[in-house]
Amino acid sequence: KAGVTQTPRYLIKTRGQQVTLSCSPISGHRSVSWYQQTPGQGLQFLFEYFSETQRNKGNFPGRFSGRQFSNSRSEMNVSTLELGDSALYLCASSDTSGGAFNEQYFGPGTRLTVT
Amino acid sequence: DQQVKQNSPSLSVQEGRISILNCDYTNSMFDYFLWYKKYPAEGPTFLISISSIKDKNEDGRFTVFLNKSAKHLSLHIVPSQPGDSAVYFCAAPDNTDKLIFGTGTRLQVFP
Repeated sequence: KAGVTQTPRYLIKTRGQQVTLSCSPISGHRSVSWYQQTPGQGLQFLFEYFSETQRNKGNFPGRFSGRQFSNSRSEMNVSTLELGDSALYLCASSDTSGGAFNEQYFGPGTRLTVT
Repeated sequence: DQQVKQNSPSLSVQEGRISILNCDYTNSMFDYFLWYKKYPAEGPTFLISISSIKDKNEDGRFTVFLNKSAKHLSLHIVPSQPGDSAVYFCAAPDNTDKLIFGTGTRLQVFP
């Protein structure tokens, strides 16, 4: 089975722009979660989508949004980028929603740099 | 407020010796804990977990110990190998099923 894929792997944007990141889960997985990793904060949960519905949401401003398509692929969007949004964005997929974290598989991440 | 803390950003251990990575938590409601390993340019991978009904869980060279009264857990790697060099995160799900991660400890195993 192919693993979780994320595109693009690297991205450079300017303050004020918006960005869309994509995540393709493992085939058959219906849950996709997004995390932001920064050096001082570790991984922080952004949101989880399951069967096209947002099931859970972390404490991030409304500039961060996401969606999931019928094929379980997910996108996250960040509008009006700020320098502090520079981070590694990771997505993780699983075949259930919540709870089975030991069966959650991460992608390699998208490294976003905001200048 | 960091509910899961890894106070040592880095650890250096000689090959063959024991590596001990520590993690503290503040939320006494946490009842399940996980350790992840992350190599550069890869996503984290699940390593080992422990439920709060246990105080120890072992999987090969990896053992996790949980001290509920101290709100502390530790990951022991014996013997350490160069391939264990990575960043290790501890994590716990909160009561809304959000996974709360620590800030990570970078382990370097040298020959």
